[in-house]
Amino acid sequence: NAGVTQTPKFRVLKTGQSMTLLCAQDMNHEYMYWYRQDPGMGLRLIHYSVGEGTTAKGEVPEGYNVSRLKKQNFLLGLESAAPSQTSVYFCASSPWGLTNTEAFFGQGTRLTVV
Amino acid sequence: ELKVEQNPLFLSMQEGKNYTIYCNYSTTSDRLYWYRQDPGKSLESLFVLLSNGAVKQEGRLMASLDTKARLSTLHITAAVHDLSATYFCAVANSGTYKYIFGTGTRLKVLA
Repeated sequence: NAGVTQTPKFRVLKTGQSMTLLCAQDMNHEYMYWYRQDPGMGLRLIHYSVGEGTTAKGEVPEGYNVSRLKKQNFLLGLESAAPSQTSVYFCASSPWGLTNTEAFFGQGTRLTVV
Repeated sequence: ELKVEQNPLFLSMQEGKNYTIYCNYSTTSDRLYWYRQDPGKSLESLFVLLSNGAVKQEGRLMASLDTKARLSTLHITAAVHDLSATYFCAVANSGTYKYIFGTGTRLKVLA
């Protein structure tokens, strides 16, 4: 059972570089999410998607873009990385059923921008 | 805008003691979740609470939900070292499909 898989697990970027984080889920979930986790701030929602071809802004979307071209994949892009984007990024997916509604998380991507 | 607050942020307790973590949220919600995170790891689902008065228990942990007070509690009974972790509550509503997390409570159980 793969569940939610994030690629890569670790990455170091120089300021101004770009990169894409990939999230893949094999549970046929409609809803997918990208969060960042910083010390003392919990998890903050960056962007999310309620289905293939849709995306929406979360709490902290600035500096990030996303795409959901396929139902199983949700990509998070950083066009021009900044040190403030150093964080641990988590992807999650959810079926959002009547009773089965919890979000399932990937293992995280630790990103350092120098 | 939905806001979620947890307290305390840090909790250091002796083994065998009881304690409660509180989760307050700002707007009407019909779904509340508790997660556990071990250092350097991902989030693991503990409880899903879907209605007012819901109570769930697993081992030494018990979660409850009061939607009128917009409050959920996570009660720890007779803590053991293995419960040391960070605990998050998250709130969602079926109108927005967003999960909004609290800041987390870092629990350390001392032997």
